[in-house]
Amino acid sequence: DIQMTQSPSSLSASLGDRVTITCRASQSVGNYLSWYQQKPGKAPKLLIYAASILPSGVPSRFSGSGSGTDFTLTISSLQLEDFATYYCQQSSSAPLTFGGGTKVDIK
Amino acid sequence: QVQLQESGPGLVKPSQTLSLTCSISGGSLNNNNYYWNWIRQPAGKGLEWIGLIYSSGRTKYNPSLRSRLTISIDSSKSQFSLELTSVTAADTAVYYCARGGWNTAGDYWGQGTLVTVSS
Repeated sequence: DIQMTQSPSSLSASLGDRVTITCRASQSVGNYLSWYQQKPGKAPKLLIYAASILPSGVPSRFSGSGSGTDFTLTISSLQLEDFATYYCQQSSSAPLTFGGGTKVDIK
Repeated sequence: QVQLQESGPGLVKPSQTLSLTCSISGGSLNNNNYYWNWIRQPAGKGLEWIGLIYSSGRTKYNPSLRSRLTISIDSSKSQFSLELTSVTAADTAVYYCARGGWNTAGDYWGQGTLVTVSS
C-alpha cells in the first residue's frame, strides 16, 4: 500500500496568512494526487486534482504543486471560510489512500 | 449537476451485515470515464477508502476489508451498493459514496450517512 504522510497535522494561522501543507507518498504516485477540504459535519470537497488543477468554482487562492512523492497545497491568503481540515489522497493505485489530515484553525 | 445520496440503516447489530446504497442523479453509472467509491470516516478521525466499482462491475477493495466486503452496481437503477459482513463497533463511521474519474477519486460526494454498530 502507498502511505500518504501529511504535515503538519494541525496549524494555527491568521486571516491573510499564506499557508502551506505538504503531503509525501511512500512511493511515486505520478500526479495522481488530489486535495480535499472538509468542514465539520460535511462531506469532503475536491479542491485540487492531478496535483495542480483546480476544479471549476474553487478560488484561485488555492494552488497545488508537486509530482512523484512530494506535493504541496498552498493557500495564498487565508480567508475565514478556509478554516477546515485538508486531506490529500492518491489515486495512482489501489488501495487508494488518504493522508492523515491537516486541521487549519484560527490563531 | 451530479448528485449522490447514501441510504441505509443507521443502526446495525454486531456480527450482522451493514448494507448501504448510493443513488446517483444527474449522471449515468454507465459512463466509462468514471468509477464509484465508498469511503468512511469514524468520528473525529480521518478518511478511509473502502473500495470502488466500475460500470463493468469490476471492483477493487481495501485489503483490510476485502474478506467482509461486497460492492455491486445496478446501472438500471442508477445505484451502487455496499455490503460489509460481520460488523463490529470498529465499523461505526460516517459512510460516503463518491464519484472518481481521471486523476481524482472524489469529484462528487454524497452527504454521508452515519452507521452505528451497537446492540
